[in-house]
This record gives sequence, structure tokens and C-alpha cells, in this order.
Amino acid sequence: AQSVTQLGSHVSVSEGALVLLRCNYSSSVPPYLFWYVQYPNQGLQLLLKYTTGATLVKGINGFEAEFKKSETSFHLTKPSAHMSDAAEYFCAVSRQGGSEKLVFGKGTKLTVNP
Amino acid sequence: DGGITQSPKYLFRKEGQNVTLSCEQNLNHDAMYWYRQDPGQGLRLIYYSQIVNDFQKGDIAEGYSVSREKKESFPLTVTSAQKNPTAFYLCASSNQGASSGNTIYFGEGSWLTVV
Repeated sequence: AQSVTQLGSHVSVSEGALVLLRCNYSSSVPPYLFWYVQYPNQGLQLLLKYTTGATLVKGINGFEAEFKKSETSFHLTKPSAHMSDAAEYFCAVSRQGGSEKLVFGKGTKLTVNP
Repeated sequence: DGGITQSPKYLFRKEGQNVTLSCEQNLNHDAMYWYRQDPGQGLRLIYYSQIVNDFQKGDIAEGYSVSREKKESFPLTVTSAQKNPTAFYLCASSNQGASSGNTIYFGEGSWLTVV
């Protein structure tokens, strides 16, 4: 069965600083990996996803993530944080041939300080 | 505009009542899902449906029921058997299921509070 661990339920950065949100997954077969963002009282919006091919994936709002099979990781980064990046971020995993379930991590709340 | 519409946004339920959350999508997606979100718990799958007139239980189906009579609609009923229903409920849909790597799109969510 797949699982996702997001390290750090809260991350705080200064505006203009690097954003790094960590995600490790467990899957017995090659995974499909996703990052979603959620603003307060709203649904989730896809930031980026990895299915096959290039392991460095670029998404919306300047975010990117790198799939590292050897480390079973899919960390989310952004070179320079903006105040509008303050939100909760969720990593999720599914796999080919698996159930139709997308398994989510517990989320990381990002605070951006001026 | 194409998307997923959930209603109502806020709903209050008295003890012992059943309530139904509506979810409609005009994306022509085959698969639809209901997730429950509690603070610090991430999202947990309640039910999902891959085709009309068929649905499967997720991880926390007890106390909930669904129907899928039309492709665009997937209502969720929270029954009185659900002991702790206060949560944020998210409806989602995708072209095919998660096992195909397809993106799952989410509605804006519905808050249910027991009073």
C-alpha cells in the first residue's frame, strides 16, 4: 500500500527566502506523485505532478519538485517565497495498477513572514 | 465555466439528522470522489465512483452513503450513524482514476457542523 509522509506540519520562512517542503513516499511500484495547495476555506489546487519522464517537474506559481527514486522523495521548492504563498500544501501518491485512491500526506502549513 | 460545484458551503446538522451534500461537475469526468478533511489529518477518502451506478467504499465509509445515478452528480449523505461528522468535506473528480496518473480536481468544499 502507498503512504506519504510530510516532514514538518508547519514551516515558516521570510519573504524572499527559499521554500522547501519535504515529502517522502512509500510505494512498491513506480508512483505517480502530486503536490496540491489549499488556501483557507477552499478546495485543493494542483501545483504539479510527476507521472513519467523528466524527474524535475515545474508547476504553477514558480514551484518545482524533483522525483528522487533512490531517496523515495518528492520535495517541493520555490527559490523566493512570496506572501501569497502562505497556504497549506499536500503531497499525494497513487500508482499504476493500484486502487483508484489518491493517498494524501497530512499537510504542511506554510507561513511567510514579511 | 467548467468545474465542480459543491453546495451548501456551510451546513448545520442536529443530532440524529441525516444531511446530504451536493456535488455536481460539468467536466465530463468519469470518476468522482468524496474526501473528509480534519485539521492535521490530511484528506481521507470516504467513497469513490468510477462509473454511473457503481461506487466503492474508501477508508472511512461508515456512517456515510452515496449514489451515482448521473455522470455529473455524486451526492453524499451523512447519516445519524456517523458519530463525529463535523468536518470539511471535499468533492473531487478526474477523467479516469488515480491509478492512471490523472489529475484529481477538487470543489470548493462544504463545512458541516453538528449543533
